[in-house]
Amino acid sequence: DAGVTQSPTHLIKTRGQQVTLRCSPKSGHDTVSWYQQALGQGPQFIFQYYEEEERQRGNFPDRFSGHQFPNYSSELNVNALLLGDSALYLCASSLERLAGGPNEQYFGPGTRLTVT
Amino acid sequence: AQSVSQHNHHVILSEAASLELGCNYSYGGTVNLFWYVQYPGQHLQLLLKYFSGDPLVKGIKGFEAEFIKSKFSFNLRKPSVQWSDTAEYFCAVTSGGSQGNLIFGKGTKLSVKP
Repeated sequence: DAGVTQSPTHLIKTRGQQVTLRCSPKSGHDTVSWYQQALGQGPQFIFQYYEEEERQRGNFPDRFSGHQFPNYSSELNVNALLLGDSALYLCASSLERLAGGPNEQYFGPGTRLTVT
Repeated sequence: AQSVSQHNHHVILSEAASLELGCNYSYGGTVNLFWYVQYPGQHLQLLLKYFSGDPLVKGIKGFEAEFIKSKFSFNLRKPSVQWSDTAEYFCAVTSGGSQGNLIFGKGTKLSVKP
């Protein structure tokens, strides 16, 4: 059973550049959430995709955008990179429930982005 | 806005010592509560969760947590830690019915001395 996978593992970019991070959800999952984890902090919610649409969004600027494909995989795009965007970017997948408790999220290993 | 506070930044224990990690949240409505663990070099894994029912929740690897609604707390406990429990522990919350948007605390790093 394939878990959540993310690519690339590490990435170094220069200020002002653009970056695309990729996520494949756990087999059978249809919902993807993205989180940013700065050094020494807990993950912060960026946004969530379901049925190829952004369903919820955290307190992140429009420079952060995403996409979900028909096979449920997802991309996170960040434009005009700032030094402060350096962080571990985590993808989490879950299966939408029609009833019952909230979706349990499974996390990938993350992409470490360094902006110089 | 919801927030999660974890009281201890770094806890150092000897093997066989008992563990309690504090977690408090701020939200007046129904909440769902989680503890995640991140072992060195590994991804975040779910330790245990509380949605409703018995406030004492048992998770994997001998961990348990107690939801005390009146104190807005969800402390993590383990009676006897092992060296392999060395990891970072994160408490997280979602509002009842929320399908995403986990709010995490800043994490507690646990170091267990053999």
